[in-house]
Amino acid sequence: SQQGEEDPQALSIQEGENATMNCSYKTSINNLQWYRQNSGRGLVHLILIRSNEREKHSGRLRVTLDTSKKSSSLLITASRAADTASYFCATPSGGSGTYKYIFGTGTRLKVLA
Amino acid sequence: NAGVTQTPKFQVLKTGQSMTLQCAQDMNHNSMYWYRQDPGMGLRLIYYSASEGTTDKGEVPNGYNVSRLNKREFSLRLESAAPSQTSVYFCASRATGEETQYFGPGTRLLVL
Repeated sequence: SQQGEEDPQALSIQEGENATMNCSYKTSINNLQWYRQNSGRGLVHLILIRSNEREKHSGRLRVTLDTSKKSSSLLITASRAADTASYFCATPSGGSGTYKYIFGTGTRLKVLA
Repeated sequence: NAGVTQTPKFQVLKTGQSMTLQCAQDMNHNSMYWYRQDPGMGLRLIYYSASEGTTDKGEVPNGYNVSRLNKREFSLRLESAAPSQTSVYFCASRATGEETQYFGPGTRLLVL
């Protein structure tokens, strides 16, 4: 089945460093979303990028989308201990107006103080 | 606003027992979803409801049933629990025309 794949699976960095995680997907999409999940909690939406956008910023987050390579990256700049979480990409499953979304397997980020 | 709420938070079942996981949202969203999350597997869609009165299967529907009781509530039922259904279950909702899903805190289910 279609499934986004994030890499790396796990990432450990020092506070203040930048964290980059990547997502690859399999079919054409009109948007891609990134979510964060703190341990033992539900997912929280971070940012959405549309297929006609190449880059988008939100605070310390920068997302890129390369539709030719079917990949996206999430960059967290100047990371903090509070950024420790799992990060998931999500893509629509099906065409415009679909109700279903496919989530990737996630990247576990640990930011060391 | 409470957002999306789920009950119970944690449940232990014996193989063959049944139970219903409850989900409610107070954001007037039309679409609601049930996912399961297993280690290394990400989230997998079990069932979804595009609007009140409709439900559809997702990626892994076997062993589950759902009911969209009204616009606010979407329940997930396990008729005869199996150890393979040990997982964390998340409910989510989404407004029509929006892409963002809002998730509940999850229900941890252990089937012995």
